[in-house]
Amino acid sequence: GAGVSQSPRYKVAKRGQDVALRCDPISGHVSLFWYQQALGQGPEFLTYFQNEAQLDKSGLPSDRFFAERPEGSVSTLKIQRTQQEDSAVYLCASSPWTEQNTEAFFGQGTRLTVV
Amino acid sequence: GENVEQHPSTLSVQEGDSAVIKCTYSDSASNYFPWYKQELGKRPQLIIDIRSNVGEKKDQRIAVTLNKTAKHFSLHITETQPEDSAVYFCAAGGYQKVTFGTGTKLQVIP
Repeated sequence: GAGVSQSPRYKVAKRGQDVALRCDPISGHVSLFWYQQALGQGPEFLTYFQNEAQLDKSGLPSDRFFAERPEGSVSTLKIQRTQQEDSAVYLCASSPWTEQNTEAFFGQGTRLTVV
Repeated sequence: GENVEQHPSTLSVQEGDSAVIKCTYSDSASNYFPWYKQELGKRPQLIIDIRSNVGEKKDQRIAVTLNKTAKHFSLHITETQPEDSAVYFCAAGGYQKVTFGTGTKLQVIP
């Protein structure tokens, strides 16, 4: 596709349920990022991949959050035992990974609501 | 880690006037400073970026300035139009990871 695609667009989960959020980056983009955006706030960094390698996961808020990108393309963010504070928009972004072209292209996001 | 502060949180201007949004950052190693525009319910989109070896960059009605000594950078929008109304985010870091500010909601009044 032409842009970063995320699915589902909306997800309602009962507290304690596990969820999986998918990101399809722009083809050929080496870098992939996950951000969490609470209502009225800026995106907060969660984790970063270069190809299949997860180089930085310092932003993951707890060990309930897990991200993978096994083949260096599609990525999945998994949240186990969801809590109400996990409610937010989860944004994925991809980038070509060059000093000359560092623009990160964002997906539409997945709005997660934990009830 | 990096800490980015952004001001003001809301800004209203008359159509045709200029708008200025200011950000400060804490990590002197940061060398990449993008600005994103996010319309309601939509994804953030890059509007302009600047690197630490440049003090100013301009693209039509949008300009960004960077003062590395003071660790602050600013976005300037001239001749504002109603379609400029959105939330604007600054960010600072490297091309592997950036930290975002909390956003400025810009309203351009026709």
